[in-house]
Amino acid sequence: DAGVTQSPTHLIKTRGQQVTLRCSPKSGHDTVSWYQQALGQGPQFIFQYYEEEERQRGNFPDRFSGHQFPNYSSELNVNALLLGDSALYLCASSLGKGDYEQYFGPGTRLTVT
Amino acid sequence: SQKIEQNSEALNIQEGKTATLTCNYTNYSPAYLQWYRQDPGRGPVFLLLIRENEKEKRKERLKVTFDTTLKQSLFHITASQPADSATYLCALDDTSNTGKLIFGQGTTLQVKP
Repeated sequence: DAGVTQSPTHLIKTRGQQVTLRCSPKSGHDTVSWYQQALGQGPQFIFQYYEEEERQRGNFPDRFSGHQFPNYSSELNVNALLLGDSALYLCASSLGKGDYEQYFGPGTRLTVT
Repeated sequence: SQKIEQNSEALNIQEGKTATLTCNYTNYSPAYLQWYRQDPGRGPVFLLLIRENEKEKRKERLKVTFDTTLKQSLFHITASQPADSATYLCALDDTSNTGKLIFGQGTTLQVKP
């Protein structure tokens, strides 16, 4: 049973560019959350998708957007990249909302130069 | 303001001893709290979940306590091993059991043989 997978593993972009990160949830999971983790910090919640709709959103600008597909996979898009967007982007899946453990993928390391 | 804090300094202990990590929060009323382990360059891995009506939860060598009066959770690893060396993150649900997790900054544990 495959766990949460993310692609790509690493990515280098230039300031002002746009990026798309992808996530496939653990089999049977229908909820996907995205987090941004800066070096030495805990993950910060970006948003959560359930039934193809954004259900919760953290304190991130509109440059951060997402999508969930009918097969529950998800994309995170970031427009007009800033140097400060350099971080590890984590995808987590869970079964529904609420007090369920979240399964994290290995993350995508984004570097903006 | 709302805060969730963990010991920012690394915790260094000798193999075989008990490691105790602290998570304090303010201005939250979480229905549950979770603990995760994160190794360098990897995504967090779920360890334990404890609900507000539970005082203590155990899993093998791990024990978590949750004191809603003190607004504190303690995470214990007994008979620690070098393989337990990692960063440990606590997380709580921000918005009434919706799965939007707010993480502390993590505490790095180093177990020396």
